[in-house]
Amino acid sequence: VVMTQSPLSLPVALGQPASISCRSSQSLVDSDGNTYLNWFQQRPGQSPRRLIYKVSNRDSGVPDRFSGSGSGTDFTLKISRVEAEDVGVYYCMQPTLWPPITFGQGTRLEIK
Amino acid sequence: DVQLVESGGGLVQPGGSLRLSCATSGFTFSNYWMTWVRQAPGKGLEWVANIKQDGSEKSYVDSVKGRFTISRDNAKNSLYLQMNSLRAEDTAVYYCVREIAARHWGQGVLVTVSS
Repeated sequence: VVMTQSPLSLPVALGQPASISCRSSQSLVDSDGNTYLNWFQQRPGQSPRRLIYKVSNRDSGVPDRFSGSGSGTDFTLKISRVEAEDVGVYYCMQPTLWPPITFGQGTRLEIK
Repeated sequence: DVQLVESGGGLVQPGGSLRLSCATSGFTFSNYWMTWVRQAPGKGLEWVANIKQDGSEKSYVDSVKGRFTISRDNAKNSLYLQMNSLRAEDTAVYYCVREIAARHWGQGVLVTVSS
């Protein structure tokens, strides 16, 4: 399954919203009825951190300005109001149809 | 707190071998699939291998099949990656990751393959 993110670079002013798209080459609906699509944040110099699992579920400790949505092959990560600490690279990942587990190319968010 | 601590990285010549280890704590290791993910310098994330809770199932990305072996020791709460016939393109930070869904990540260990 190929995961395609857009844009690859995202300059955003502080306090403004941001949106990242992730499209999969096949439907990510599993035989159990769940859709397994996760989002990760990687701040500069840090390990990746999972933000969202199963499309729209926020992990504990993740600010509520982050939200995930989508279905089938089309998914979106939204940040309602960008803060300075949100700078980094964001990846989508599908653990539905594996092997292999696949990641998107990454979207680099920077402050404009 | 969940902790995943990788070790064993370093500089190795092409064709050489390395064994990565991941010491875990803060959760019941034997209850979880475990994963290795790598990241080449300045590049994105690449899934490398998975292993089932009891070690009975293993999967690999095509580029490492036949060269890398994932294993685990549930008595020691540890995950391993034996890497043989290393190539320059294997140069990366290797992350130990809990679960297929990648909830928790280690800090990573750098493997550099160069002459």
